[in-house]
Amino acid sequence: GQQVMQIPQYQHVQEGEDFTTYCNSSTTLSNIQWYKQRPGGHPVFLIQLVKSGEVKKQKRLTFQFGEAKKNSSLHITATQTTDVGTYFCAGKTSNYQLIWGAGTKLIIKP
Amino acid sequence: NAGVMQNPRHLVRRRGQEARLRCSPMKGHSHVYWYRQLPEEGLKFMVYLQKENIIDESGMPKERFSAEFPKEGPSILRIQQVVRGDSAAYFCASSREELLSYNEQFFGPGTRLTVL
Repeated sequence: GQQVMQIPQYQHVQEGEDFTTYCNSSTTLSNIQWYKQRPGGHPVFLIQLVKSGEVKKQKRLTFQFGEAKKNSSLHITATQTTDVGTYFCAGKTSNYQLIWGAGTKLIIKP
Repeated sequence: NAGVMQNPRHLVRRRGQEARLRCSPMKGHSHVYWYRQLPEEGLKFMVYLQKENIIDESGMPKERFSAEFPKEGPSILRIQQVVRGDSAAYFCASSREELLSYNEQFFGPGTRLTVL
């Protein structure tokens, strides 16, 4: 079946270091969405990418959608403690289905 | 505009009892999704509903689990004869449209079910 693979599962960084999570789909996506879930909280929508090769920025966060619309990445520059949480990608297929990645947990080392 | 409401926030049940989880979508949203999340794991899709219709229940166990979204009132996820393995956080999400628009899902705060 259709899958979205997300790596890594965990990433430990020192505060101030960069963080990146990657998603790869087995099929072409119509769009991809990114969500953040703080510890103990619920997923919150961050952004949606629709166009091939699209790049969007939100302050220190940069989101990319691949040319083939099969992969995406989220990059955080100079992480802060407020960035802690799990980041999920969710790819929308040609029909209504939203296929979720397993998430990447960002852990800031003390 | 109130967000997605879920209740109860925490639910404790003994093995064999029934659990009923409620979700009221955001105003104007007619699409509801239920997800299950085990501790330290990702979201697992369970079911997608529109008013009075189950669109996709491919992620929901065939036995003991059922979901509805009636014409009036909240969406209900029902788990009969709960077992310890049902302990998890259950999230509901809603969106405005599906087929014609690229709409994000808005999540409720979740119901944390504990089965003793």
